[in-house]
Amino acid sequence: GQNIDQPTEMTATEGAIVQINCTYQTSGFNGLFWYQQHAGEAPTFLSYNVLDGLEEKGRFSSFLSRSKGYSYLLLKELQMKDSASYLCAAPGSARQLTFGSGTQLTVLP
Amino acid sequence: GAGVSQSPSNKVTEKGKDVELRCDPISGHTALYWYRQSLGQGLEFLIYFQGNSAPDKSGLPSDRFSAERTGGSVSTLTIQRTQQEDSAVYLCATSVGRRGRERDTQYFGPGTRLTVL
Repeated sequence: GQNIDQPTEMTATEGAIVQINCTYQTSGFNGLFWYQQHAGEAPTFLSYNVLDGLEEKGRFSSFLSRSKGYSYLLLKELQMKDSASYLCAAPGSARQLTFGSGTQLTVLP
Repeated sequence: GAGVSQSPSNKVTEKGKDVELRCDPISGHTALYWYRQSLGQGLEFLIYFQGNSAPDKSGLPSDRFSAERTGGSVSTLTIQRTQQEDSAVYLCATSVGRRGRERDTQYFGPGTRLTVL
């Protein structure tokens, strides 16, 4: 089976950097996704890691360590619009995603 | 091109009634998933369709839930004899349907918010 853990809530200040951690246990590894979900909206794709290391995409970066079962999402130069829930997800054998409970990020002015 | 669309956006029903929720996938996407998101909970997988293969129903919570996908395109999720605990946002996602370790990103529709009174 799959098990995904991430913090429930985080708070950061506009312009700062925040790191959202995710630990996972999977029966087979097929990569790790990060999604962003604003309140009342659908999740939108942010990043995908299948190899160890850091993937950078603008202000957002995602890191993966397969040996440690660990990933993080790094958000730089935080903006108010980054306030959202960030979901860590792992594909199962049928490619269905198992999601963590999500980390609710609040960006303060 | 258009994204995943779902209808209705909101559905209020009485306990015991049947409801049908519709998902229109992105054109060319062979894989289609239904998820459920209850208030304050993570997304929960319900059912998966891939092309013409038999669906993976392993996530359906009870036999009151069923889904079909006609012609490999539009999908309908049916909940019979709805219960209050069925109240949730039902999300549909579709993907190209790549296999192995290739990235097969799922794109989500806006969801249907179901309220069972």
